[in-house]
Amino acid sequence: GQNIDQPTEMTATEGAIVQINCTYQTSGFNGLFWYQQHAGEAPTFLSYNVLDGLEEKGRFSSFLSRSKGYSYLLLKELQMKDSASYLCAVRDGSARQLTFGSGTQLTVLP
Amino acid sequence: GAGVSQSPSNKVTEKGKDVELRCDPISGHTALYWYRQSLGQGLEFLIYFQGNSAPDKSGLPSDRFSAERTGGSVSTLTIQRTQQEDSAVYLCASSLGGPSDTQYFGPGTRLTVL
Repeated sequence: GQNIDQPTEMTATEGAIVQINCTYQTSGFNGLFWYQQHAGEAPTFLSYNVLDGLEEKGRFSSFLSRSKGYSYLLLKELQMKDSASYLCAVRDGSARQLTFGSGTQLTVLP
Repeated sequence: GAGVSQSPSNKVTEKGKDVELRCDPISGHTALYWYRQSLGQGLEFLIYFQGNSAPDKSGLPSDRFSAERTGGSVSTLTIQRTQQEDSAVYLCASSLGGPSDTQYFGPGTRLTVL
């Protein structure tokens, strides 16, 4: 089975940087995804990591360490519209579906 | 269409009734997934279709739940004899395959069982 942990809530200030951590335990790892979900809306894809290291995409970056079962999503120059739930999801090597963490609700304050 | 669409957006039903939820995936996507999201919970996998292969039903919580995908495109999730614990947002996703096989989600159907 799989177990994915991420903080339930985080608060940060507009313009700041925030790091959302995700730890996972899987029987066979085949990729980690981050999604953003605004209240009442569909999750939208942010990033994909399958190899160790940092993937940068504009204001958002995602890091993976497979040996530690650890990832983080880094959000820079925070904007009010970044207030949302951030979902960490892992694919097990033997299946195509994703296993999701419970999500981290980020609130950006002015 | 540009993205995954689902209907209805909201469904209120009485306990014991059957419901059907529909998903239209992105054109050309061969894989289709159903998940559900209960209040305060992460997304929970239900079922997965890939092309003409037999679906992976390993996530269906009971035999009251079933799904089909006709013509390799549209999918219907059916819940028979609904129970209050079935209340959740049911999300559909589709993907093109490939190394990352990124899943793209629809807006979901919010099901409320009274």
